[in-house]
Amino acid sequence: ELKVEQNPLFLSMQEGKNYTIYCNYSTTSDRLYWYRQDPGKSLESLFVLLSNGAVKQEGRLMASLDTKARLSTLHITAAVHDLSATYFCAVDFTNTGNQFYFGTGTSLTVIP
Amino acid sequence: DAGITQSPRHKVTETGTPVTLRCHQTENHRYMYWYRQDPGHGLRLIHYSYGVKDTDKGEVSDGYSVSRSKTEDFLLTLESATSSQTSVYFCAISLTGLANADTQYFGPGTRLTVL
Repeated sequence: ELKVEQNPLFLSMQEGKNYTIYCNYSTTSDRLYWYRQDPGKSLESLFVLLSNGAVKQEGRLMASLDTKARLSTLHITAAVHDLSATYFCAVDFTNTGNQFYFGTGTSLTVIP
Repeated sequence: DAGITQSPRHKVTETGTPVTLRCHQTENHRYMYWYRQDPGHGLRLIHYSYGVKDTDKGEVSDGYSVSRSKTEDFLLTLESATSSQTSVYFCAISLTGLANADTQYFGPGTRLTVL
């Protein structure tokens, strides 16, 4: 079965702290994507990870991919309130059609 | 902005009625997708298209049909809406599809309520 699991589902953290969101998936893939969604809004693409060991960084967010462990992480450094949102990872298990399987999302709240 | 619009943005309908949602893109991209988003499930793929008149089923296709008669439009139809189809529906496009493993860009969403 093709599954993508994220944890934690809910995360409340103080400004200035660091934390990591985990994305595990069930079957080999080297195509993993991270998105951000603000309440009532659409999804915004954050990172595209296409190989084992890939690391991408943008501001206070850094994403990495370990295809052997079937694990991606989204690390948040020195959180600020503007990072409050729901974060999704998505995996493309297929070689055709670019079909994404999404995790259930991590709802992040950064408290001043 | 990938030039994706969805219509309508909100719709309330009754069980048993047909409903069609429209996704329109302005950039001539080949790949288009329909997802539904429900609490606790993330986004799930309903159908996708890889060209005019070329479509295929996704993870949760039962109760839905699609059509793509023009590159720019991808229609999602609920032939007889049920309350379980109450959801937020997102359309997405992929700039180049398979070859470059591009990310997908999402439209603004349609909130559908089936009473």
